[in-house]
Amino acid sequence: GQNIDQPTEMTATEGAIVQINCTYQTSGFNGLFWYQQHAGEAPTFLSYNVLDGLEEKGRFSSFLSRSKGYSYLLLKELQMKDSASYLCAAVYGQNFVFGPGTRLSVLP
Amino acid sequence: DVKVTQSSRYLVKRTGEKVFLECVQDMDHENMFWYRQDPGLGLRLIYFSYDVKMKEKGDIPEGYSVSREKKERFSLILESASTNQTSMYLCASSLSGKSGANVLTFGAGSRLTVL
Repeated sequence: GQNIDQPTEMTATEGAIVQINCTYQTSGFNGLFWYQQHAGEAPTFLSYNVLDGLEEKGRFSSFLSRSKGYSYLLLKELQMKDSASYLCAAVYGQNFVFGPGTRLSVLP
Repeated sequence: DVKVTQSSRYLVKRTGEKVFLECVQDMDHENMFWYRQDPGLGLRLIYFSYDVKMKEKGDIPEGYSVSREKKERFSLILESASTNQTSMYLCASSLSGKSGANVLTFGAGSRLTVL
């Protein structure tokens, strides 16, 4: 199967920068999504990368290296409301394969 | 905004009961999906559907069935609930076609406890 790996927990301080890494298997890979999920809520779309490079969207950026099977989500100027789980999902053909999610705690 | 509505946020059922989880989306999406979410395992695909009356098995279909009689509604059925089906169930939908690039829009989830 296609294993998606990401750290299960991270902690950072308000105002700081945090990088959440995700690795995936490259065979059959079509693209990579990042979702944010607050406790008890639906996952919401953050970003989609299909080509190599960095996609910036406000305080959030996402990077992809197709050859290395690697992506990261960069969160700048962290706010308390950024405390959530961040889900990495690789697309293979028609199917989404999700990682275990990274629970980010932002401390004051 | 696309809305995906799951009828029950919390359910408690007994082992052996039949359970229906309903999901409705209001933006005419062709594709609908059922996932379960467990700590440390991420989202795992149970069943999906690309069209009315069509269904395909995902990664963990055992113990589940689905129904899609109308485009906007995708139901997940547990014929005989078991304790290992205690989980958070998430429904999602996406736009037409079989492109993997379509964004999934999720419902808020249904937390099922089987006693």
